[in-house]
Amino acid sequence: EEQLVQSGAEVKKPGESLKISCKGSEYSFTHYWIGWVRQMPGRGLEWMGTIYPRDSDTRYSPSFQGQVTISVDKSMNTAYLQWSSLKASDTAIYYCARGNYQMPRCFDYWGQGTLVTVSS
Amino acid sequence: SYELTQPPSVSVSPGQTASITCSGDALAKQYTFWYQQKPGQAPVVVIYKDTERPSGIPARFSGSSSGTTVTLTISGVQAEDEADYYCQSADTTDTYGVFGGGTKLTVL
Repeated sequence: EEQLVQSGAEVKKPGESLKISCKGSEYSFTHYWIGWVRQMPGRGLEWMGTIYPRDSDTRYSPSFQGQVTISVDKSMNTAYLQWSSLKASDTAIYYCARGNYQMPRCFDYWGQGTLVTVSS
Repeated sequence: SYELTQPPSVSVSPGQTASITCSGDALAKQYTFWYQQKPGQAPVVVIYKDTERPSGIPARFSGSSSGTTVTLTISGVQAEDEADYYCQSADTTDTYGVFGGGTKLTVL
């Protein structure tokens, strides 16, 4: 069955950089968009952005444009979400998810989530 | 930016029908997906492309669409259906996605 496995929890200080990962398996990785979703503590889901592994075409929500960078290594079947300078407000669970083939901005399979804690 | 609107909460007794609405200007042109999220778990899709149900999702879950409003209906609600439910779609240019604010379903 299709699977997305994310990297483990992170604890960072404000101002530090971070890159978390999402590895896809049991499907043709380059044929499906991979998206990232933020869930702050006790809050709802927020769509951040998405990338097409075949050509690295990337789209961002206006709310996250310039705040994060999404990238991919298709040789490793892995997508990434990175920050250059974390803030306390980046504390959240981050999910990766596979875009639906016919509706790529929506998701059919989800990773287990990566908890990122930013605290001094 | 584009927004989808859901009621914050819905409460029903076991065996009753729960309806959760989601409204947005682009919903007449874009499909909607619905996700169920239980505490401490990743979201799971329960309805995709407005009305389709993935394999493994009980038949009591259904979706409908009318103009700029879509509805998730859970018939014969069970205690295990208590969760947060999110609608999701895309903007009219299909550049980015957007989630509704989420609806907490309480089974009384």
